[in-house]
Amino acid sequence: EDKVVQSPLSLVVHEGDTVTLNCSYEVTNFRSLLWYKQEKKAPTFLFMLTSSGIEKKSGRLSSILDKKELFSILNITATQTGDSAIYLCAVEKKDYGGSQGNLIFGKGTKLSVKP
Amino acid sequence: NAGVTQTPKFRVLKTGQSMTLLCAQDMNHEYMYWYRQDPGMGLRLIHYSVGEGTTAKGEVPDGYNVSRLKKQNFLLGLESAAPSQTSVYFCASSNGQLYGYTFGSGTRLTVV
Repeated sequence: EDKVVQSPLSLVVHEGDTVTLNCSYEVTNFRSLLWYKQEKKAPTFLFMLTSSGIEKKSGRLSSILDKKELFSILNITATQTGDSAIYLCAVEKKDYGGSQGNLIFGKGTKLSVKP
Repeated sequence: NAGVTQTPKFRVLKTGQSMTLLCAQDMNHEYMYWYRQDPGMGLRLIHYSVGEGTTAKGEVPDGYNVSRLKKQNFLLGLESAAPSQTSVYFCASSNGQLYGYTFGSGTRLTVV
């Protein structure tokens, strides 16, 4: 069965710290890996990664994919209280095989940033 | 530019009652999904649809039914609600291309 594993499941840091969130996967017919940020409502899209070694960056957030070792990391530098959220990793498959559909989510990392 | 709209946003049901959650998208997306989210469990797929008139079971389909009679709408039904169905439900849609999914704002359902 396909799976996506995120670590840590929760993390508490102070403002200004740098954090690294991990996502490993075992998924057949890989198409892309997506990162989402979820505050109180719907997940909002952060990054889509399809190629190994190419860093995607948006402000203080960056992410990279390693398709050989089957993992991705999401880095947040100079954290702020507004970064407090659940960060979801999901892997998109090329096909709609079976009961998992084509987007497999990890359980998320809950990040709390204290002032 | 509504995107994905879910109704209702909140609902409290008594055990055994039935209800329908509506998801509507205005992006002409082929693919639509219903997820439930429980604490510490991430998002789990209930049912999905790859086009008008088609539906398929996801990871946790028991106790739910769906219909996709029109391309823009995806309905999730609970025939006889149980406390285990207390959750936050998210609808999402995609165009199947190499592109991120769009989520609705969620429905918080409590079954007492």
